[in-house]
Amino acid sequence: NAGVTQTPKFQVLKTGQSMTLQCAQDMNHEYMSWYRQDPGMGLRLIHYSVGAGITDQGEVPNGYNVSRSTTEDFPLRLLSAAPSQTSVYFCASSYGGTRGEQFFGPGTRLTVL
Amino acid sequence: QQPVQSPQAVILREGEDAVINCSSSKALYSVHWYRQKHGEAPVFLMILLKGGEQKGHEKISASFNEKKQQSSLYLTASQLSYSGTYFCGTPPALIFGTGTRLQVFP
Repeated sequence: NAGVTQTPKFQVLKTGQSMTLQCAQDMNHEYMSWYRQDPGMGLRLIHYSVGAGITDQGEVPNGYNVSRSTTEDFPLRLLSAAPSQTSVYFCASSYGGTRGEQFFGPGTRLTVL
Repeated sequence: QQPVQSPQAVILREGEDAVINCSSSKALYSVHWYRQKHGEAPVFLMILLKGGEQKGHEKISASFNEKKQQSSLYLTASQLSYSGTYFCGTPPALIFGTGTRLQVFP
């Protein structure tokens, strides 16, 4: 199993550009989530999904969209990038929702100029 | 609301013990603990469930007080590999705490 994979590993955007961060898992986990981590700070929940077709907002959802059309994939879309969105983005998945161990992807380091 | 962790930072010598605390302003029915090393993704340590059930790391222990809405992580006989930042997380949507940076020196 590849576990949780994220692409790209690094990305530089200009203010106003849009892009999609990809997240995929091959463990058949129903629960998936996105976090951002600013330098020296903790993890903040952006969006999460309890299954295909179901998504909900976390602590910091503004400026981001998600969709979950399959169990395996949970892409995160930045609509119009801003410098405040410069961060490391982690995707996670689990079996059993938040009663289960969260498996994190390696992260995407995003810089917005 | 984000759980609050204390202390913010801990410095230890190898072999010393440490306790990391996690407090929530809302009712808890479970608590997660993760460790993150610099430049890496968080890694699962333990889940504590209501009723006393624990799932996770054999060499790390933790407690969960549902009434006080608190959890504590106990690191005994610390090793260099214990260095990192520790986060607690509280469901339903997993919200992580403020983090505790632990450094272990020889």
